[in-house]
Amino acid sequence: DVKVTQSSRYLVKRTGEKVFLECVQDMDHENMFWYRQDPGLGLRLIYFSYDVKMKEKGDIPEGYSVSREKKERFSLILESASTNQTSMYLCASSFRFPVTGGDEQYFGPGTRLTVT
Amino acid sequence: SQQGEEDPQALSIQEGENATMNCSYKTSINNLQWYRQNSGRGLVHLILIRSNEREKHSGRLRVTLDTSKKSSSLLITASRAADTASYFCATDSGGYQKVTFGTGTKLQVIP
Repeated sequence: DVKVTQSSRYLVKRTGEKVFLECVQDMDHENMFWYRQDPGLGLRLIYFSYDVKMKEKGDIPEGYSVSREKKERFSLILESASTNQTSMYLCASSFRFPVTGGDEQYFGPGTRLTVT
Repeated sequence: SQQGEEDPQALSIQEGENATMNCSYKTSINNLQWYRQNSGRGLVHLILIRSNEREKHSGRLRVTLDTSKKSSSLLITASRAADTASYFCATDSGGYQKVTFGTGTKLQVIP
């Protein structure tokens, strides 16, 4: 079974702190994604990566950065956490096909981040 | 930007009834996927339907896709209390397999 793990289920940080959220997948997937989920807004893509050291901005990248040094690990970084970044953060991974067509994404359990 | 929009936003039915939820999208797609999310957890993939397919079945799930209307529906037959969850459609328009999720339908199945 594919397993996507996230470093924390719950996290409480103070405004201005640097926050690292880590995601690890064990299926050798090329694609990895970070989403945030807020009530009434659904899932919004922050960043995704289709290969090691490669990254692409999603719909809401402001205030975030990412790092993908190894294929299995994708980190989301909040350089200076703010209260409006309080949210559920979900990591996902998927295979990459050479022809566009996509495949299912496998999600981690999520990290509920509270910034006070 | 949200590509998929689910309808209704919330649905409450009795156990044993069928549940139907709909998804509309705006631009052409390569495939459309449905996911389930139990409260406070990650999403689980249910079914994928490609743009050249019209209907697909998986167990008690039936998905239809009408590309001319840019819409899809998910039917859950003979619902169970365990089906209580939020359901999301996700559209894949190509590129680096970036999919766009809708805002979800919250389904409650009453025992």
